[in-house]
Amino acid sequence: NAGVTQTPKFQVLKTGQSMTLQCAQDMNHEYMSWYRQDPGMGLRLIHYSVGAGITDQGEVPNGYNVSRSTTEDFPLRLLSAAPSQTSVYFCASRYGQGGYNEQFFGPGTRLTVL
Amino acid sequence: AQSVTQLGSHVSVSEGALVLLRCNYSSSVPPYLFWYVQYPNQGLQLLLKYTTGATLVKGINGFEAEFKKSETSFHLTKPSAHMSDAAEYFCAVSDYGNQFYFGTGTSLTVIP
Repeated sequence: NAGVTQTPKFQVLKTGQSMTLQCAQDMNHEYMSWYRQDPGMGLRLIHYSVGAGITDQGEVPNGYNVSRSTTEDFPLRLLSAAPSQTSVYFCASRYGQGGYNEQFFGPGTRLTVL
Repeated sequence: AQSVTQLGSHVSVSEGALVLLRCNYSSSVPPYLFWYVQYPNQGLQLLLKYTTGATLVKGINGFEAEFKKSETSFHLTKPSAHMSDAAEYFCAVSDYGNQFYFGTGTSLTVIP
């Protein structure tokens, strides 16, 4: 199993550009989520999904869109990038919806917005 | 909503010394508790978790943590630090819902 994969690993954008961060998992996990990690702030939840066709907002959803058309994929779209979105982005997945199941994390995408 | 507090954003220990990383949580229901480790430029990796049963939980790489309900704590310990333990450590809490709540992390430095 590849686990949770993310592409690209690094990306530099100019203010106002759009892009999609890709996330895929091969563990047949129902629950997937996107976090951003900023120094001193831990991980903050952007959006999550409890299954194909179902998404919901997390703590910091503004400026980001998601969709979940398949169990495997959960892309994160930046509609118009801003310098405040410079961060490291992690995708995670877990089996089922019970809080007792751990999340599995991808390697991250380091995004810089100029 | 849940919250997690990690006391000490930076902890330094000598190689061979005890490692103690503190985590306190707030929860109105019995929580599920996790410790993750993040090595430089990598994703998070599960160290250990508490769901039910024995309150002393053993994880990978010699780490363990004890769930103390009366103190709402889940501190992470390791008897003897190794250079390879240098990393960022995150405590997280979840409940019956869908969301995890992470602490702000503790950076562990091991001094040779």
